[in-house]
Amino acid sequence: QVHLEQSGAEVKKPGASVKVSCKASGYNFGDNDVNWVRQAPGQGLEWMGWMNPTTGNTVYAQRLQGRVTMTASISMSTAFMELSRLTFEDTAVYFCAREKSGDFQLDLWGQGTLVTVSS
Amino acid sequence: SSDLKQAPSVSVSPGQTATITCSGDALSKQYVYWYQQKAGQAPVLVMFQDNERPSGIPERFSGSSSGTTVTLTITGVQPEDEADYYCQSADTSGTYRVFGGGTRVTVL
Repeated sequence: QVHLEQSGAEVKKPGASVKVSCKASGYNFGDNDVNWVRQAPGQGLEWMGWMNPTTGNTVYAQRLQGRVTMTASISMSTAFMELSRLTFEDTAVYFCAREKSGDFQLDLWGQGTLVTVSS
Repeated sequence: SSDLKQAPSVSVSPGQTATITCSGDALSKQYVYWYQQKAGQAPVLVMFQDNERPSGIPERFSGSSSGTTVTLTITGVQPEDEADYYCQSADTSGTYRVFGGGTRVTVL
C-alpha cells in the first residue's frame, strides 16, 4: 500500500529552523519527485518546491529561496524539508506529495505536519 | 504570469451542478490538476490533465478546458462534495508549480 508518513507537529521560536520528514512506502521512492506544499491557518495551498530524490535536483519557490532546503535519503526512502529563519507567517501545515513521473499531478500526499512558530 | 485565479466560493443545492473555473495565462500551454480538500484533511486529486478522472473518483466529476480557462464540473452535487477545490498547474517552462487560491463549494 503506497503511503507517505510525515513527522509530528513542531513548535519553534522565531528565528529558529524546522526540519520535517516524509517517509515513503509501497513504491520505489527514487522514481518520483517529491513536492512540498504548505497551508497557513484558514488559507490556501502554497507550493514550496520539489526535489528529485535520485539526482538531488531541486527547484524552490522564489519567495522561499534562501530559507528552504529539500533533501532526501534513498536508503531511508525519506524526503526532508528544512525551513530556516522562521517567522510567525511560517505557521502552517506542511505537506509532502509525490509527483507522478512525466506529469505534474500530485497523486499521493502525506498527512501533513503542523509547524507552529510562537515566542 | 503563472498565477491561477479561482472564484472564492460557490454555493449549490444538492443534485444541482457546481462549476468551478481556473484561469491563467500559462493554461494555454500547461495542463491543470484539481484537488479536493475537506476540513482537516490532505488534498485529494480529483482530476488530472484537464479532464482525466483518477480511479475511484465519481463520474459526476468532469473537467474541460478552453483557451486559458479550465473548468471542473460536479454534476448532481452530493453533500459529501462540500469542500475546498484547488487547481494546480505549472509555469510555461514546466519548472515551477502553482496553485490557485481555492474555491469553497458549499452544499446548501
